[in-house]
Amino acid sequence: QVQLVESGGGVVQPGRSLRLSCAASGFTFSTYVMDWVRQAPGKGLEWVAVIWYDGDNKYYGDSVRGRFTISRDNSKNTLYLQMNSLRAEDTAVYYCAASEGGSTFDFWGQGSLVTVSS
Amino acid sequence: EIVLTQSPGTLSLSPGERATLSCRASQSVRSSYFGWYQQKPGQAPRLLIYDASSRATGVPDRFSGSGSGTDFTLTITRLEPEDFAVYYCQQYGDSPPRYTFGQGTKLEIK
Repeated sequence: QVQLVESGGGVVQPGRSLRLSCAASGFTFSTYVMDWVRQAPGKGLEWVAVIWYDGDNKYYGDSVRGRFTISRDNSKNTLYLQMNSLRAEDTAVYYCAASEGGSTFDFWGQGSLVTVSS
Repeated sequence: EIVLTQSPGTLSLSPGERATLSCRASQSVRSSYFGWYQQKPGQAPRLLIYDASSRATGVPDRFSGSGSGTDFTLTITRLEPEDFAVYYCQQYGDSPPRYTFGQGTKLEIK
C-alpha cells in the first residue's frame, strides 16, 4: 500500500537549519509530483513547495521562498525539504504529499513536527 | 493569487442529516484543478474529491462535489458519525504553479 513517512522534525532555534525527509513506498515515486504542505498548531493548511517528476522544476510559497529548498532522489524514493533561517512562524506539522496529476494531493504522510523556539 | 473562502466556518448537524459546504474563489478556477479534503484530529488530510466532482478511491458515495468557476460545493448526504471533521477546499494555479487552501469548515455533531 502507499506509504509516505516523514522524518527529521524536532526543536530548533531561530536562525538555524533543519532537513526533513519523506520516504515513499507502494507507488512509482518518479511518476508523481511531490509537495510539502504545513499546518501551524490549531491552524489551516498552507502549501510550502512542489517539485516536478524529474526534479528540474521547483516552486515555493511566498513565505518560504529563498529560505527553503525542495529536492528529491528518485533512486531512493525520497523527498527532502532543506529549511534554512528558520523563524518562529515556521513552527508547524510538515506533511509530504504525492500528486499524480499535479493539481490535487492524492496521498499524504503522517506529518513531522518542527518547532522553532529559543 | 486566488483566495478561497469557505462557509460556514462551523456547521452543527446530527447524524443522518445532509451537509452542504461551500467554497468560493476570488477568481475563476479550472474544475480539473479543484479538490476537497477531510481532516480528523491528529490525522493527516485525506483527499475526498478531485476535478471538482470525482470521488477519490475508497470515498463513500454519500460524498459528492459540484460546481464550477468560482463556486464549489461539497455535499454529504446522510451524515455518519465518522464524517464529523474539518473539511478544506483547495485549488491549483499553473502560472506560476501554486496551491491555495480555504480556511476550513468544521463539521461538528449537534
